[in-house]
Amino acid sequence: AQSVAQPEDQVNVAEGNPLTVKCTYSVSGNPYLFWYVQYPNRGLQFLLKYITGDNLVKGSYGFEAEFNKSQTSFHLKKPSALVSDSALYFCAVLVRGGKSTFGDGTTLTVKP
Amino acid sequence: DGGITQSPKYLFRKEGQNVTLSCEQNLNHDAMYWYRQDPGQGLRLIYYSQIVNDFQKGDIAEGYSVSREKKESFPLTVTSAQKNPTAFYLCASTPGQGVTGANVLTFGAGSRLTVL
Repeated sequence: AQSVAQPEDQVNVAEGNPLTVKCTYSVSGNPYLFWYVQYPNRGLQFLLKYITGDNLVKGSYGFEAEFNKSQTSFHLKKPSALVSDSALYFCAVLVRGGKSTFGDGTTLTVKP
Repeated sequence: DGGITQSPKYLFRKEGQNVTLSCEQNLNHDAMYWYRQDPGQGLRLIYYSQIVNDFQKGDIAEGYSVSREKKESFPLTVTSAQKNPTAFYLCASTPGQGVTGANVLTFGAGSRLTVL
């Protein structure tokens, strides 16, 4: 069975500092990996995905993620955080032809 | 603009009542999904449908029912059999299953159900 773990419930960073939101996965076969962001009382919005190819994936709003097969990780990163980045972030894994499985989410708070 | 419309945004229900949450999409997507979101538990799949007139149970289907009579519509009924229905419900869609690069979920804004 596929699973996703987001080991941190909460990440706090100062505006202008780099941020990392961690995600590890467990699947049999090659994974499709996704990051979504959710603002309060809203649906999730797609940020970026890894399907195949370059391990560093660039997405919306300056976010990027690094796929590491040996560590089964797909951490979300941004070089310089903004207060407006404060939100709930979800990592998800999809096996070809299957369903998406989501992590429990990480609340990112960026303080001015 | 294309997207997913969920209604109502907020809904209050008395115990023992069935309620139906609406989900409509104009994206021409084949697949539609219902997720339940509880604090600290991420998203859990209730039902999904890959094609009209067909749907499958997800991980937590007990106490819920769906229909898919039209491509653009996938309503969810929360029945009185659902023991703890208070939650945030999210509808989503994708162009189709198993299509490389086409598996990004597009979400509606959600419906918050509170049982009194």
